[in-house]
Amino acid sequence: AQKITQTQPGMFVQEKEAVTLDCTYDTSDQSYGLFWYKQPSSGEMIFLIYQGSYDEQNATEGRYSLNFQKARKSANLVISASQLGDSAMYFCAMREGNQGGKLIFGQGTELSVKP
Amino acid sequence: EPEVTQTPSHQVTQMGQEVILRCVPISNHLYFYWYRQILGQKVEFLVSFYNNEISEKSEIFDDQFSVERPDGSNFTLKIRSTKLEDSAMYFCASKGRGGEQYFGPGTRLTVT
Repeated sequence: AQKITQTQPGMFVQEKEAVTLDCTYDTSDQSYGLFWYKQPSSGEMIFLIYQGSYDEQNATEGRYSLNFQKARKSANLVISASQLGDSAMYFCAMREGNQGGKLIFGQGTELSVKP
Repeated sequence: EPEVTQTPSHQVTQMGQEVILRCVPISNHLYFYWYRQILGQKVEFLVSFYNNEISEKSEIFDDQFSVERPDGSNFTLKIRSTKLEDSAMYFCASKGRGGEQYFGPGTRLTVT
């Protein structure tokens, strides 16, 4: 079974609108972390946001927020007020167990922001 | 703002040659990682390094691969005898006391 599932290969959003990118995960660990990264066409992996499994509040970083629903095992990324520069691939990732553990990535969602 | 750096940005090599990919993690970080991304695919874990030794490695990380932290700042990935299927983007990442893993800009390795 896939550990991280991103069901949207591609998404379109109008500039200035909000968009939600879906991510579900599968783990039996109690302690884990969830991550979102942005990969523009230039190729680098830009860290956006992190949510620990014990964090009670949803993580927010500027225009990014992580909608963490533990019972549903989902960690959707919400981007508010989309900008043209948000067009990129977005990857959800999970770290199981201890803090130093590896990340397991999903297949990614390609977001296109339309003017 | 501190960042992970990697050199070179692009390396072209012939099959069978050895390559060394270099990384300078964020200075006070404790955990170091190598990942790779074959073109058009998702990012895959290769190896993690903590306290001067490998803490975990994937099945991709076979005897052809090795990692080293030769001094207090550099972290290297060596591929002894490259194969065509080693062509990929290789990312170094590091993690400090918080949960976040920060990635470098990547080295694009092309094996011909």
